[in-house]
Amino acid sequence: LAKTTQPISMDSYEGQEVNITCSHNNIATNDYITWYQQFPSQGPRFIIQGYKTKVTNEVASLFIPADRKSSTLSLPRVSLSDTAVYYCLVGGHNAGNMLTFGGGTRLMVKP
Amino acid sequence: EPEVTQTPSHQVTQMGQEVILRCVPISNHLYFYWYRQILGQKVEFLVSFYNNEISEKSEIFDDQFSVERPDGSNFTLKIRSTKLEDSAMYFCASSDTGTGVYEQYFGPGTRLTVT
Repeated sequence: LAKTTQPISMDSYEGQEVNITCSHNNIATNDYITWYQQFPSQGPRFIIQGYKTKVTNEVASLFIPADRKSSTLSLPRVSLSDTAVYYCLVGGHNAGNMLTFGGGTRLMVKP
Repeated sequence: EPEVTQTPSHQVTQMGQEVILRCVPISNHLYFYWYRQILGQKVEFLVSFYNNEISEKSEIFDDQFSVERPDGSNFTLKIRSTKLEDSAMYFCASSDTGTGVYEQYFGPGTRLTVT
């Protein structure tokens, strides 16, 4: 299972773009990269998933370089409500695959 | 938007007692999971369930734990004889078999406190 490394915490201000980078040097060919968000006392919530290059949805963008050994979650114009823990997960893409969470990045958005 | 629901939101029990945590997964989903998160720690996988049997389980999921889908809607986690270290948030999740993006939908959790 590919190990992931991401910053323990980050601070930002409202309206700024936030980029959280995750390292996954041992990513396997079949692995996808997925990001989840978790608010205090709530279950994790899926944000975005990708395999290579760039993926964008209404919430975030995910940038994956050609070697796939890292990825960057980009949150445009964060608000106070984006304060949460963000998890980078690397693993299988098939229904039934377990999710392996690391420590995540605790993002604090300040006014 | 469909969501996973869990009951109760908070359960307090005494050490050695049995507890059953209940989940209603999203109705057309076929894969079900339990995770737990001890306060301040990582979310940990416990077990996955498909086609009325366990697909995968972690080392945490020992003989004290069991899962069941007693009817077409509920998915339960039973802890036979609770220990203090079982105190945690327990999250149920479900996923479908669709192609494309693979995501698991998590419930709001049950906070289990063992005294």
